[in-house]
Amino acid sequence: GAVVSQHPSRVICKSGTSVKIECRSLDFQATTMFWYRQFPKQSLMLMATSNEGSKATYEQGVEKDKFLINHASLTLSTLTVTSAHPEDSSFYICSARDLNGHSNQPQHFGDGTRLSIL
Amino acid sequence: KQEVTQIPAALSVPEGENLVLNCSFTDSAIYNLQWFRQDPGKGLTSLLLIQSSQREQTSGRLNASLDKSSGRSTLYIAASQPGDSATYLCAVYALNYGGATNKLIFGTGTLLAVQP
Repeated sequence: GAVVSQHPSRVICKSGTSVKIECRSLDFQATTMFWYRQFPKQSLMLMATSNEGSKATYEQGVEKDKFLINHASLTLSTLTVTSAHPEDSSFYICSARDLNGHSNQPQHFGDGTRLSIL
Repeated sequence: KQEVTQIPAALSVPEGENLVLNCSFTDSAIYNLQWFRQDPGKGLTSLLLIQSSQREQTSGRLNASLDKSSGRSTLYIAASQPGDSATYLCAVYALNYGGATNKLIFGTGTLLAVQP
């Protein structure tokens, strides 16, 4: 089945550091990738929709200058948390939809990145 | 605003029991509904996807139903096993919600523990 690889799986760093998370579709091309954030014991909240070759669409309340998204190819999207602070600590999960996939096709999810800011 | 709710929030059952997880959504304008499994500290595994025109889908011991008009879905797990222990999330793919891009809206999840 379709595989989405997310790297790194865990990051621990000091406050003020910028952290980049990569999301790759391994066996399919994805024009659209999604970035979610999940707090402990809570559900997933969509942060932004990443479209290959164009600017990402951010959800209300998500700072685009804080969470930089780049989708340079059909198999790679990156999320950079700039100048991270303890309140940015969370579980970040990416998802991708096949190039030929329509709304009736499932999204495939990565294994997530646990970000801890000290 | 589309809201997705899951009941119960947590469930503990002995091995071998059949169980039902519930999902409700407030706006029936959806493309489809998906059920996912999430193990601790992990991403999501898609279990079943039901199109808006469908009533149910089955995969192995899992059966999911959809009643779009009433805004409800159920996930039935037969003969539960300790390996079924995980958080189960339902999500609806909303139609052009609020003028924004169609997107997957997740429920609050049900934490399932199957006791050996």
